[in-house]
Amino acid sequence: EDQVTQSPEALRLQEGESSSLNCSYTVSGLRGLFWYRQDPGKGPEFLFTLYSAGEEKEKERLKATLTKKESFLHITAPKPEDSATYLCAVHSGGSNYKLTFGKGTLLTVNP
Amino acid sequence: EAQVTQNPRYLITVTGKKLTVTCSQNMNHEYMSWYRQDPGLGLRQIYYSMNVEVTDKGDVPEGYKVSRKEKRNFPLILESPSPNQTSLYFCASMPQVYSNQPQHFGDGTRLSIL
Repeated sequence: EDQVTQSPEALRLQEGESSSLNCSYTVSGLRGLFWYRQDPGKGPEFLFTLYSAGEEKEKERLKATLTKKESFLHITAPKPEDSATYLCAVHSGGSNYKLTFGKGTLLTVNP
Repeated sequence: EAQVTQNPRYLITVTGKKLTVTCSQNMNHEYMSWYRQDPGLGLRQIYYSMNVEVTDKGDVPEGYKVSRKEKRNFPLILESPSPNQTSLYFCASMPQVYSNQPQHFGDGTRLSIL
């Protein structure tokens, strides 16, 4: 069974203080790893897809990387508007295209 | 604007009173899915649909029904809701099946079953 573990559960940063969120996964065969951002009262908003170890994607202050066992979401010089819950999900190729989600990291960036 | 629309956004109801949560997407996506999100458990798949008239169970299908009569709509039906179905529900869609494209989510429906 696919498993996704995110750490830390919660992270509080000062504006400008860079850090990383971790997503460890166990799957039978990774077809894709997805990062989403979720704001209160909203659905998950797609950020990145990573397909193979060594791959990196960037968008503004966010950079996602992938190894064979984990993914990192690096946040460089965060701003208060980056505050949200960040979700990691994997797809292992099942016919149902089910995404297995981690429980998320709640990021708070203080001004 | 490309989007997944769910209705209602909030609902408080009582045990046993049938309800339907609608989901509609305007992107001509083949694949649609329902998830529930609970504290400490994350998002879990309830049902999914590969295309019109093709639906199947996800991880937590008990107490739910779905239908896919049209490509754009994928309603979630609770025939006899119970308090353990109190949750935040999300509908999602994806352009094509058997692809690794991301799923796009609606803004959720918060259900409270008393």
